[in-house]
Amino acid sequence: DTGVSQDPRHKITKRGQNVTFRCDPISEHNRLYWYRQTLGQGPEFLTYFQNEAQLEKSRLLSDRFSAERPKGSFSTLEIQRTEQGDSAMYLCATMESGQPTDTQYFGPGTRLTVL
Amino acid sequence: TQLLEQSPQFLSIQEGENLTVYCNSSSVFSSLQWYRQEPGEGPVLLVTVVTGGEVKKLKRLTFQFGDARKDSSLHITAAQPGDTGLYLCAGVGTYNTDKLIFGTGTRLQVFP
Repeated sequence: DTGVSQDPRHKITKRGQNVTFRCDPISEHNRLYWYRQTLGQGPEFLTYFQNEAQLEKSRLLSDRFSAERPKGSFSTLEIQRTEQGDSAMYLCATMESGQPTDTQYFGPGTRLTVL
Repeated sequence: TQLLEQSPQFLSIQEGENLTVYCNSSSVFSSLQWYRQEPGEGPVLLVTVVTGGEVKKLKRLTFQFGDARKDSSLHITAAQPGDTGLYLCAGVGTYNTDKLIFGTGTRLQVFP
């Protein structure tokens, strides 16, 4: 247990439905990242927050995706009108400061299956 | 676009054998990290290498960063079933965000 929690751990939904995932970081960590991992691949960066500010979004993040981090604590990732291609593991990672050698601590992920 | 290619993609060996996993890129990274991921869990950091040519050892695992900071290797001596998992290298870019650029992954299975 890294101290980063994600909820739910698993989500099965039908195509076209909206889903929302939550990430609770280690309390003193000001940086929060979302990654997506498809089966057999390494994670891909989606978006990044420093405190409550969303500072970078990947081109992978279509208009159907939105992420928030109100008050710089927990974060939510919402996918609207889900598609089968959205099926993946969604990972959250948090970090305290900003040195390249600092450790990102990953949560256990939310596995999304879109039917 | 920064890409990290890992080889081999899959590795299935007997307990006690040695193995090496390679991570190659055409891009330079400020540092490179190795992670291990088990099914249903997030990646867990094993090591960070920063200086070109750096070698770090973690028990039976030896990590090396290439002189030009574009490639890295992970060598496991006398592999054990507990080493089974997905090994990922990740480059930390020169971006202010310090987002990770992950490699394609190497799935290792060690049989008793």
